[in-house]
Amino acid sequence: KNEVEQSPQNLTAQEGEFITINCSYSVGISALHWLQQHPGGGIVSLFMLSSGKKKHGRLIATINIQEKHSSLHITASHPRDSAVYICAVPINTDKLIFGTGTRLQVFP
Amino acid sequence: NAGVMQNPRHLVRRRGQEARLRCSPMKGHSHVYWYRQLPEEGLKFMVYLQKENIIDESGMPKERFSAEFPKEGPSILRIQQVVRGDSAAYFCASSPRTSGSLDTQYFGPGTRLTVL
Repeated sequence: KNEVEQSPQNLTAQEGEFITINCSYSVGISALHWLQQHPGGGIVSLFMLSSGKKKHGRLIATINIQEKHSSLHITASHPRDSAVYICAVPINTDKLIFGTGTRLQVFP
Repeated sequence: NAGVMQNPRHLVRRRGQEARLRCSPMKGHSHVYWYRQLPEEGLKFMVYLQKENIIDESGMPKERFSAEFPKEGPSILRIQQVVRGDSAAYFCASSPRTSGSLDTQYFGPGTRLTVL
């Protein structure tokens, strides 16, 4: 069993739909990262959160430390949101352990 | 303020050659992490360095791979006698490490290594 699990692995949506990606982890952590990897391969850090909820534009991330679960939501999805979304948790020396990613495709 | 820089962006090597990947962290960041993404696989931790120190190399293959972060200059990931299985995207990330695990890690664009 992976220490960080994401669901779903693949997700397709119509433009405008509300998207939810889930991340569960089995290790004790103090924070969790959500990353976005574009088709070209570059990685962008979207959020780092340790409690509650954070919002940036159409993106919302929530975390429940007790339940070891985090969600990433995208409101009013757009084709340019198509990417791989990865959650990652820092352990030990703060090296990141990554989920396997969720490949999102948003169609116009 | 430039972000994390990696070069080269693409590197082609023949089996048995050496590959040197460079990472310049963001200004003010003294902590560098290297991660590897094999084709169709997720990202995996390789090594964590501070200036002149290797803090955690638990993800580094035992042979042929080494990393350094000298007092001056970029961090270097060195792969000797490359094999086809080394073909991957290698990302580095930097952080200021002022808040420990609450620091965001900023990723470079990656170096895509192809071994022929």
